[in-house]
Amino acid sequence: DTGVSQDPRHKITKRGQNVTFRCDPISEHNRLYWYRQTLGQGPEFLTYFQNEAQLEKSRLLSDRFSAERPKGSFSTLEIQRTEQGDSAMYLCASSWGQVSYNEQFFGPGTRLTVL
Amino acid sequence: GESVGLHLPTLSVQEGDNSIINCAYSNSASDYFIWYKQESGKGPQFIIDIRSNMDKRQGQRVTVLLNKTVKHLSLQIAATQPGDSAVYFCADRFGGSNYKLTFGKGTLLTVNP
Repeated sequence: DTGVSQDPRHKITKRGQNVTFRCDPISEHNRLYWYRQTLGQGPEFLTYFQNEAQLEKSRLLSDRFSAERPKGSFSTLEIQRTEQGDSAMYLCASSWGQVSYNEQFFGPGTRLTVL
Repeated sequence: GESVGLHLPTLSVQEGDNSIINCAYSNSASDYFIWYKQESGKGPQFIIDIRSNMDKRQGQRVTVLLNKTVKHLSLQIAATQPGDSAVYFCADRFGGSNYKLTFGKGTLLTVNP
């Protein structure tokens, strides 16, 4: 257990439905990241927060995706009008620091299945 | 764009043997490299990292080697144990970008008792 928690662990939804995932980072970590991982592939970067500010979004993050970190602590990732191609593991990671080299601690992920 | 790839998708070793997992990267601007281990149903777990100004770094039973000339990274696991069975990913980060990691596809390591 890295100290990063994600909820739910599994989500099955029908195409067209909206889903929301939550990530609770390690409490003192000011940086929070979302990645997406499909079967047999490495995680792909989606977006990054430093405190409550969303500083970068990948081109993978279409308009149907939105992420927030309102108080600089937990974060949510919402997918609207889900598509079958959204089926993947959604990973959250956190790190601390004002220096460049800091380990990212990953949560267990939320596995999304879109039927 | 940048890419991090692995030479072998699977590796099978006997318990007690040493394992070597290889990784190639293409971006000469990458300044930080990390190896992660991912067990089934879990998120990636940090193993060891190395900065681009280093050639070698050792941890507990693990060693990472970095060859910047050929843009190659390797992870050596000594005395491999059944608990080492997992998918191993290398990841890199651009110099100047202190957050986004780019992962390779992963190597599945199977340790036979």
